[in-house]
Amino acid sequence: KAGVTQTPRYLIKTRGQQVTLSCSPISGHRSVSWYQQTPGQGLQFLFEYFSETQRNKGNFPGRFSGRQFSNSRSEMNVSTLELGDSALYLCASSPWTSGPGEQFFGPGTRLTVL
Amino acid sequence: AQSVTQLDSQVPVFEEAPVELRCNYSSSVSVYLFWYVQYPNQGLQLLLKYLSGSTLVKGINGFEAEFNKSQTSFHLRKPSVHISDTAEYFCAVIPYSGGYQKVTFGTGTKLQVIP
Repeated sequence: KAGVTQTPRYLIKTRGQQVTLSCSPISGHRSVSWYQQTPGQGLQFLFEYFSETQRNKGNFPGRFSGRQFSNSRSEMNVSTLELGDSALYLCASSPWTSGPGEQFFGPGTRLTVL
Repeated sequence: AQSVTQLDSQVPVFEEAPVELRCNYSSSVSVYLFWYVQYPNQGLQLLLKYLSGSTLVKGINGFEAEFNKSQTSFHLRKPSVHISDTAEYFCAVIPYSGGYQKVTFGTGTKLQVIP
């Protein structure tokens, strides 16, 4: 099976712009989660989508949003970018059969905000 | 709420020597425990997990971890490290009743294997 893919791998944006990141989960996985990784805050949960519905959300402002399509692919959008949004954004998919088990992570998208 | 402490931010070790990466957690409820590895410019890869049952868990790449409920620890061990084990290692917990939104990661331990 192909792994989790994320595009693009690198992005450079300026403050105030918006950005969309894409994630393709492993075939058959219906749960897709997004995480932000920074040197200062570490790994933080953004949100999780399951069967096109946002199932859980972390403590991030409304500028961070996402969606999931019928084929389980997911996108994450950040509007009005701030310098502090510079981070590695990781997507993870899971079959979620009977509770939290193994999540399969993609390589991430490194976003730099200037 | 729960917390995860990885006391060692960096651990240097010579090739073929044993290593232990420490993880302690705090939680008012029972938790699932995980260890992930992150190689440079890559995402996280699951090394092993403890959901229930035997407290000694074996994972990939020769790693193992032991769940100690009384000490609330889940230390990761490998009897003989290789250069390829150089990476950052993260311990994580999820409460039994929670989903991924309740996952808590430790701050990571960078393992540096010295030739």
